[in-house]
Amino acid sequence: DAKTTQPPSMDCAEGRAANLPCNHSTISGNEYVYWYRQIHSQGPQYIIHGLKNNETNEMASLIITEDRKSSTLILPHATLRDTAVYYCIADYGQNFVFGPGTRLSVLP
Amino acid sequence: DTGVSQDPRHKITKRGQNVTFRCDPISEHNRLYWYRQTLGQGPEFLTYFQNEAQLEKSRLLSDRFSAERPKGSFSTLEIQRTEQGDSAMYLCASSPLRYGQGSYNEQFFGPGTRLTVL
Repeated sequence: DAKTTQPPSMDCAEGRAANLPCNHSTISGNEYVYWYRQIHSQGPQYIIHGLKNNETNEMASLIITEDRKSSTLILPHATLRDTAVYYCIADYGQNFVFGPGTRLSVLP
Repeated sequence: DTGVSQDPRHKITKRGQNVTFRCDPISEHNRLYWYRQTLGQGPEFLTYFQNEAQLEKSRLLSDRFSAERPKGSFSTLEIQRTEQGDSAMYLCASSPLRYGQGSYNEQFFGPGTRLTVL
């Protein structure tokens, strides 16, 4: 079973920030948090990962709570092309266990 | 293109036939993973290799499934005597597996091979 839980779906207005939450209350100290997204019929696309500190790259920001029990992926200015299923994964170097993810719909 | 490639992208076969899929990982990546994804579900782990060694197999990988990674480069996944329940997207991913504080393991996925068993 996946170690993470995410809401099944979310909507976001185009141009606004999309904040996708993930709970990982049983995460262990050496497990990283990874975010991927999957656009229909394509392979999952890596977005970002982090261990303790907040991370930012050209795609998104990852905010991890101090107790590491939850995190938030932030897409700062969502576009229609960001419509996808977003997966949050906790892993320490083994195979990924994917949950059902969050289906994000960016609305015009 | 330096990403993960998979071949073929689509395969339609009749029940009982054998099929083989190929995955070419990103050069220098020592880990290679196979996943299966059915409609509406997240990918499910099947097996992974570190270099040429197959280190873990899921119980989803029945004895009709076999995977190889000769010389630690490309990999093949073969399904013998296909069944309609094998219809799915088969995804390959590769990873450099860097060790740091913990082991971070970002996996880069290919486009997948969609298998339809009639």
